[in-house]
Amino acid sequence: DTAVSQTPKYLVTQMGNDKSIKCEQNLGHDTMYWYKQDSKKFLKIMFSYNNKELIINETVPNRFSPKSPDKAHLNLHINSLELGDSAVYFCASSQGGRGANVLTFGAGSRLTVL
Amino acid sequence: GQQLNQSPQSMFIQEGEDVSMNCTSSSIFNTWLWYKQDPGEGPVLLIALYKAGELTSNGRLTAQFGITRKDSFLNISASIPSDVGIYFCAGSPGVCGGATNKLIFGTGTLLAVQP
Repeated sequence: DTAVSQTPKYLVTQMGNDKSIKCEQNLGHDTMYWYKQDSKKFLKIMFSYNNKELIINETVPNRFSPKSPDKAHLNLHINSLELGDSAVYFCASSQGGRGANVLTFGAGSRLTVL
Repeated sequence: GQQLNQSPQSMFIQEGEDVSMNCTSSSIFNTWLWYKQDPGEGPVLLIALYKAGELTSNGRLTAQFGITRKDSFLNISASIPSDVGIYFCAGSPGVCGGATNKLIFGTGTLLAVQP
């Protein structure tokens, strides 16, 4: 069983389109995240949700809208896609307490905007 | 955004050699972690460090939380071909267990191992 699963793994789309990436975790964790990894492999946090509540929003353009229907799911919707949005997007989750900083990552969703 | 300085950027070594990489920050961190990323996969946790001076091992891997709380080191002994990948340090400046903790990642070290 995959602990953190995200779909799709690959997404190729035209500029201006709207797309979504879905994420689910079966670890029972309270906190979920979206990270963006650019072409230089820099990993940067975008959003964090704790028990369905947004707690971190790292100055991401408002074209990006995360949605957490329940604490096991965190989806990312992107409007009006731009070339610079091309990257690998990673979903992650963590539990509370001492493990709050120990993130379990999904396999990533590679988004290519043409 | 804030990033941790990680060095070296890349390493090309022979199988059996030992490897060292480090990570530095201009500010204090309360947690240091080391992750490995294989091609096409997400980062996987190797070692977590929670206390200044802490030295922790995981098989052939050993990591240390620097005394100043501004750096961390990862050593790999007797490297093997499957050690190939990108190694990331990550740190959190926040209070342990805080829900608003942000994990900040280093710039990564690409390791290549020649059989």
